[in-house]
Amino acid sequence: QSALTQPASVSGSPGQSITISCTASGTDVGDYKFVSWYQQHVGKVPKVIIYDVNQRPSGTSARFSGSKSGNVASLTISGLRAEDEADYYCSSYTGSSTWVFGGGTKLTVL
Amino acid sequence: EVQLEESGGGLVKPGGSLRLSCAASGFTFAPYVMNWVRQAPGKGLEWVSSITSSSSFIYYADSVKGRFTISRDNARNSLSLQMNNLTAADTAVYYCARHLRAYFDNWGRGVLVTVSS
Repeated sequence: QSALTQPASVSGSPGQSITISCTASGTDVGDYKFVSWYQQHVGKVPKVIIYDVNQRPSGTSARFSGSKSGNVASLTISGLRAEDEADYYCSSYTGSSTWVFGGGTKLTVL
Repeated sequence: EVQLEESGGGLVKPGGSLRLSCAASGFTFAPYVMNWVRQAPGKGLEWVSSITSSSSFIYYADSVKGRFTISRDNARNSLSLQMNNLTAADTAVYYCARHLRAYFDNWGRGVLVTVSS
Protein backbone atom coordinates (compact mmCIF):
# COMPACT_ATOMS: atom_id res chain seq x y z
CA GLN A 1 0.00 0.00 0.00
CA SER A 2 1.30 3.43 -0.96
CA ALA A 3 1.65 6.32 1.41
CA LEU A 4 2.97 9.85 1.17
CA THR A 5 4.34 11.38 4.35
CA GLN A 6 4.56 15.13 4.89
CA PRO A 7 5.57 17.14 7.95
CA ALA A 8 2.51 18.32 9.83
CA SER A 9 3.70 21.92 9.91
CA VAL A 10 6.40 24.26 8.72
CA SER A 11 6.91 27.94 9.32
CA GLY A 12 8.95 30.81 8.01
CA SER A 13 9.23 34.55 8.05
CA PRO A 14 8.35 36.79 5.15
CA GLY A 15 11.07 36.79 2.53
CA GLN A 16 12.52 33.49 3.63
CA SER A 17 12.41 30.20 1.75
CA ILE A 18 10.81 27.03 3.06
CA THR A 19 10.74 23.47 1.79
CA ILE A 20 8.03 20.89 2.36
CA SER A 21 8.98 17.27 1.87
CA CYS A 22 6.80 14.43 0.66
CA THR A 23 8.23 10.96 1.22
CA ALA A 24 6.82 8.03 -0.69
CA SER A 25 6.66 4.55 0.76
CA GLY A 26 5.12 1.37 -0.49
CA THR A 27 5.90 -0.70 -3.48
CA ASP A 28 3.44 0.72 -5.98
CA VAL A 29 4.29 4.37 -6.43
CA GLY A 30 6.09 3.37 -9.57
CA ASP A 31 8.88 5.71 -10.50
CA TYR A 32 7.04 8.45 -8.65
CA LYS A 33 7.18 10.90 -11.55
CA PHE A 34 3.56 12.03 -11.41
CA VAL A 35 3.83 14.16 -8.30
CA SER A 36 1.63 17.19 -7.89
CA TRP A 37 1.20 19.76 -5.15
CA TYR A 38 -1.96 21.53 -4.04
CA GLN A 39 -2.45 24.67 -2.02
CA GLN A 40 -5.56 25.04 0.11
CA HIS A 41 -6.35 28.19 2.00
CA VAL A 42 -8.66 27.92 4.97
CA GLY A 43 -12.21 27.31 3.81
CA LYS A 44 -11.20 27.26 0.17
CA VAL A 45 -10.92 24.72 -2.61
CA PRO A 46 -7.57 23.00 -3.30
CA LYS A 47 -5.62 24.48 -6.17
CA VAL A 48 -2.83 22.77 -8.10
CA ILE A 49 0.45 24.67 -7.95
CA ILE A 50 2.91 22.05 -9.22
CA TYR A 51 2.42 19.00 -11.46
CA ASP A 52 4.72 16.36 -12.94
CA VAL A 53 7.17 16.97 -10.08
CA ASN A 54 8.35 20.41 -11.19
CA GLN A 55 5.94 21.95 -13.68
CA ARG A 56 3.98 25.08 -12.84
CA PRO A 57 0.50 25.62 -14.25
CA SER A 58 -0.09 29.00 -15.78
CA GLY A 59 -0.87 31.44 -13.03
CA THR A 60 1.35 29.81 -10.41
CA SER A 61 4.03 32.14 -9.14
CA ALA A 62 7.63 31.31 -10.00
CA ARG A 63 8.28 31.47 -6.26
CA PHE A 64 6.89 27.95 -6.12
CA SER A 65 9.13 25.14 -7.32
CA GLY A 66 9.11 21.38 -7.14
CA SER A 67 11.79 18.75 -7.19
CA LYS A 68 12.37 15.09 -6.47
CA SER A 69 15.25 12.98 -5.28
CA GLY A 70 14.69 9.29 -5.00
CA ASN A 71 11.47 8.73 -3.12
CA VAL A 72 11.31 12.25 -1.68
CA ALA A 73 9.51 15.03 -3.51
CA SER A 74 9.85 18.59 -2.30
CA LEU A 75 7.99 21.86 -2.66
CA THR A 76 10.01 25.01 -2.15
CA ILE A 77 8.48 28.42 -1.68
CA SER A 78 10.89 31.29 -1.95
CA GLY A 79 10.34 34.89 -0.93
CA LEU A 80 7.66 33.83 1.52
CA ARG A 81 4.57 36.06 1.69
CA ALA A 82 1.70 36.26 4.14
CA GLU A 83 -0.65 35.05 1.40
CA ASP A 84 1.29 31.77 1.18
CA GLU A 85 -0.08 30.72 4.56
CA ALA A 86 -2.17 27.67 3.73
CA ASP A 87 -2.23 23.90 3.80
CA TYR A 88 -0.15 22.11 1.17
CA TYR A 89 -0.73 18.58 -0.09
CA CYS A 90 1.39 16.40 -2.30
CA SER A 91 -0.20 13.76 -4.48
CA SER A 92 1.06 10.92 -6.62
CA TYR A 93 -0.19 8.32 -9.02
CA THR A 94 0.41 4.97 -7.37
CA GLY A 95 0.87 2.87 -10.46
CA SER A 96 -2.19 0.82 -9.54
CA SER A 97 -4.65 3.13 -11.28
CA THR A 98 -5.24 4.92 -8.01
CA TRP A 99 -4.05 8.15 -6.48
CA VAL A 100 -2.75 9.03 -3.05
CA PHE A 101 -2.42 12.29 -1.16
CA GLY A 102 -0.01 13.17 1.57
CA GLY A 103 -1.41 14.09 4.95
CA GLY A 104 -0.88 17.78 4.36
CA THR A 105 1.44 20.42 5.76
CA LYS A 106 0.27 23.58 7.44
CA LEU A 107 2.46 26.52 6.48
CA THR A 108 2.56 29.38 8.94
CA VAL A 109 4.07 32.69 7.89
CA LEU A 110 5.42 34.27 11.04
CA GLU B 1 -14.37 29.09 -17.58
CA VAL B 2 -14.36 25.58 -16.19
CA GLN B 3 -17.07 25.10 -13.62
CA LEU B 4 -17.84 22.05 -11.51
CA GLU B 5 -20.80 22.20 -9.17
CA GLU B 6 -21.57 19.44 -6.72
CA SER B 7 -24.97 18.77 -5.22
CA GLY B 8 -26.80 16.13 -3.24
CA GLY B 9 -25.00 16.35 0.07
CA GLY B 10 -26.67 16.38 3.45
CA LEU B 11 -27.27 14.50 6.67
CA VAL B 12 -27.77 10.76 6.49
CA LYS B 13 -27.97 8.06 9.13
CA PRO B 14 -25.35 5.31 9.41
CA GLY B 15 -26.14 2.57 6.96
CA GLY B 16 -27.99 4.97 4.71
CA SER B 17 -27.40 6.02 1.13
CA LEU B 18 -26.82 9.26 -0.71
CA ARG B 19 -26.21 10.20 -4.31
CA LEU B 20 -23.93 13.07 -5.20
CA SER B 21 -23.94 14.82 -8.53
CA CYS B 22 -21.49 17.12 -10.25
CA ALA B 23 -22.59 19.38 -13.08
CA ALA B 24 -19.80 20.37 -15.43
CA SER B 25 -19.75 23.40 -17.67
CA GLY B 26 -17.32 25.64 -19.52
CA PHE B 27 -15.44 22.79 -21.18
CA THR B 28 -16.01 19.69 -23.27
CA PHE B 29 -16.77 17.16 -20.56
CA ALA B 30 -16.63 13.88 -22.47
CA PRO B 31 -12.86 13.45 -23.03
CA TYR B 32 -11.81 14.00 -19.43
CA VAL B 33 -11.19 11.54 -16.65
CA MET B 34 -13.22 12.67 -13.66
CA ASN B 35 -12.73 12.05 -9.98
CA TRP B 36 -14.22 12.36 -6.54
CA VAL B 37 -11.92 13.51 -3.75
CA ARG B 38 -13.07 13.95 -0.17
CA GLN B 39 -11.88 15.78 2.90
CA ALA B 40 -13.06 14.89 6.38
CA PRO B 41 -13.54 17.87 8.73
CA GLY B 42 -10.15 19.18 9.76
CA LYS B 43 -8.37 16.41 7.87
CA GLY B 44 -6.47 15.95 4.64
CA LEU B 45 -7.50 15.09 1.13
CA GLU B 46 -8.41 11.55 0.15
CA TRP B 47 -8.88 10.36 -3.42
CA VAL B 48 -12.12 8.37 -3.64
CA SER B 49 -12.78 7.30 -7.21
CA SER B 50 -11.99 7.89 -10.89
CA ILE B 51 -13.86 7.21 -14.10
CA THR B 52 -12.42 7.37 -17.59
CA SER B 53 -13.98 9.29 -20.44
CA SER B 54 -16.15 6.49 -21.80
CA SER B 55 -16.68 4.85 -18.41
CA SER B 56 -14.58 1.93 -19.56
CA PHE B 57 -12.33 2.03 -16.53
CA ILE B 58 -13.42 2.78 -13.01
CA TYR B 59 -11.27 2.79 -9.89
CA TYR B 60 -11.98 3.13 -6.19
CA ALA B 61 -10.06 3.67 -3.01
CA ASP B 62 -10.07 0.58 -0.81
CA SER B 63 -12.00 2.53 1.82
CA VAL B 64 -15.08 2.82 -0.41
CA LYS B 65 -14.80 -0.20 -2.70
CA GLY B 66 -18.00 -2.21 -2.76
CA ARG B 67 -20.05 0.63 -1.25
CA PHE B 68 -19.62 3.54 -3.67
CA THR B 69 -20.38 3.62 -7.38
CA ILE B 70 -19.12 6.33 -9.71
CA SER B 71 -20.84 7.02 -13.01
CA ARG B 72 -21.08 9.71 -15.64
CA ASP B 73 -23.43 10.93 -18.33
CA ASN B 74 -21.47 12.64 -21.07
CA ALA B 75 -24.64 13.78 -22.82
CA ARG B 76 -25.67 15.67 -19.70
CA ASN B 77 -22.13 16.73 -18.68
CA SER B 78 -22.58 15.17 -15.30
CA LEU B 79 -20.73 12.98 -12.85
CA SER B 80 -22.33 11.03 -10.02
CA LEU B 81 -21.34 9.13 -6.92
CA GLN B 82 -23.79 6.67 -5.39
CA MET B 83 -22.82 6.06 -1.78
CA ASN B 84 -24.32 3.13 0.12
CA ASN B 85 -23.89 1.70 3.59
CA LEU B 86 -22.47 4.98 4.85
CA THR B 87 -20.56 5.22 8.10
CA ALA B 88 -19.32 8.10 10.23
CA ALA B 89 -15.93 7.71 8.56
CA ASP B 90 -17.54 8.85 5.29
CA THR B 91 -18.38 12.25 6.76
CA ALA B 92 -16.51 14.73 4.59
CA VAL B 93 -16.68 17.43 1.98
CA TYR B 94 -16.80 15.68 -1.37
CA TYR B 95 -15.13 17.41 -4.30
CA CYS B 96 -15.64 16.72 -7.96
CA ALA B 97 -12.28 17.13 -9.70
CA ARG B 98 -11.25 17.07 -13.32
CA HIS B 99 -8.19 15.10 -14.29
CA LEU B 100 -5.65 16.57 -16.66
CA ARG B 101 -2.71 14.37 -17.59
CA ALA B 102 -1.58 13.29 -14.15
CA TYR B 103 -3.12 15.79 -11.80
CA PHE B 104 -6.40 17.33 -10.68
CA ASP B 105 -6.59 20.65 -12.48
CA ASN B 106 -10.05 21.91 -11.59
CA TRP B 107 -12.14 21.34 -8.50
CA GLY B 108 -15.70 22.07 -7.56
CA ARG B 109 -16.57 23.93 -4.39
CA GLY B 110 -17.47 20.69 -2.68
CA VAL B 111 -20.54 19.35 -0.93
CA LEU B 112 -20.77 18.27 2.70
CA VAL B 113 -21.91 14.77 3.58
CA THR B 114 -22.58 14.14 7.26
CA VAL B 115 -23.25 10.63 8.50
CA SER B 116 -24.76 10.72 11.95
CA SER B 117 -27.64 9.27 13.90
